[in-house]
Amino acid sequence: SQKIEQNSEALNIQEGKTATLTCNYTNYSPAYLQWYRQDPGRGPVFLLLIRENEKEKRKERLKVTFDTTLKQSLFHITASQPADSATYLCALEKYNFNKFYFGSGTKLNVKP
Amino acid sequence: NAGVTQTPKFQVLKTGQSMTLQCAQDMNHEYMSWYRQDPGMGLRLIHYSVGAGITDQGEVPNGYNVSRSTTEDFPLRLLSAAPSQTSVYFCASSYLGSDGTSYNEQFFGPGTRLTVL
Repeated sequence: SQKIEQNSEALNIQEGKTATLTCNYTNYSPAYLQWYRQDPGRGPVFLLLIRENEKEKRKERLKVTFDTTLKQSLFHITASQPADSATYLCALEKYNFNKFYFGSGTKLNVKP
Repeated sequence: NAGVTQTPKFQVLKTGQSMTLQCAQDMNHEYMSWYRQDPGMGLRLIHYSVGAGITDQGEVPNGYNVSRSTTEDFPLRLLSAAPSQTSVYFCASSYLGSDGTSYNEQFFGPGTRLTVL
């Protein structure tokens, strides 16, 4: 089955800096990869989706890259704010497979 | 739209008891799924459905049953609860793409925190 690795250690950064989170996967290449935000006690909320044939996707202060050679996606938050503090999850789906695999998430702490 | 709703929010069971976690969505999504989330384990897929009358197993299906009689509802049944099923359970839904791949965001419910003693 698919294995997805995210850094289990919390990422602590200063307000205004760029946060970079990593998602690595093994085995088959996904059709696409998604990033979600999860706050304590709540369900995940969708942020961005990037397809297999796309290198980069942007949405406001968020940027996702996808390197199928390295089997890695990077998630960037520029000009980070304390309100960005949360756990960020990556997820992927194989073509026509209807099964999503999630990483365990990385906790981001943005200090004022 | 209410989105994805789950009931109950909290539940405590004794070993061997049965119960049903309810999930409903009002977005006419074809795809619905159940996940469990344990500390350090991320979200793991239990069961999923691509439409009414169609269900399939995910990564961790043992001890759980599902059915999908309508597009809106996707209940999860624990037939004989075990302490290993203590977890937070999330239901999610999304549209399905024309080729069977979702390519769409999943909408998650608020979760049910289940403790089995």
